[in-house]
Amino acid sequence: EADIYQTPRYLVIGTGKKITLECSQTMGHDKMYWYQQDPGMELHLIHYSYGVNSTEKGDLSSESTVSRIRTEHFPLTLESARPSHTSQYLCASSLVGYEAFFGQGTRLTVV
Amino acid sequence: GIQVEQSPPDLILQEGANSTLRCNFSDSVNNLQWFHQNPWGQLINLFYIPSGTKQNGRLSATTVATERYSLLYISSSQTTDSGVYFCAVGRSNDYKLSFGAGTTVTVRA
Repeated sequence: EADIYQTPRYLVIGTGKKITLECSQTMGHDKMYWYQQDPGMELHLIHYSYGVNSTEKGDLSSESTVSRIRTEHFPLTLESARPSHTSQYLCASSLVGYEAFFGQGTRLTVV
Repeated sequence: GIQVEQSPPDLILQEGANSTLRCNFSDSVNNLQWFHQNPWGQLINLFYIPSGTKQNGRLSATTVATERYSLLYISSSQTTDSGVYFCAVGRSNDYKLSFGAGTTVTVRA
């Protein structure tokens, strides 16, 4: 059983608000990732991190930002939410070249 | 990035039937995983299988890395097998997983 947690599970928020999606893992994994998934669609990588103080943009452009101050924590922030940000956001972690594990996801709705 | 193609896109099964899902990828990989996405959106790990064959209960998977494909077998399907099955691949030099579009499986009682 993977120990990776995302909060909140569901979030409905108004346009223009700042939001932070939390992701934490207790497995000591150095690699962490954020994926975005629209309903019925494939997952797209938006951010990843190789370790503390390392962050990179993924294949899909995103207005969100991330930080990695601690190994176990990889939060994602939207400074000003818009309806186009409505989606599911999935966090994952892995060791180098090994199996990745996903959190339960956050379903974000911006109204 | 690596291109990942899954087939078929949709699969409707009668309970008890067997099925095969396929994943083709465009380049050599060091990581290949199969996931099942449940109705609540969570991705459940099924197999980590960059090569070879593995079995877990009614599910099994085979990856032929030299020919760039992987197969997921579901035997004696049950309604709880319904959902979307994703294949994801990666290389050790960039650590990122690239996902296919998924196969949506519907098992009818």
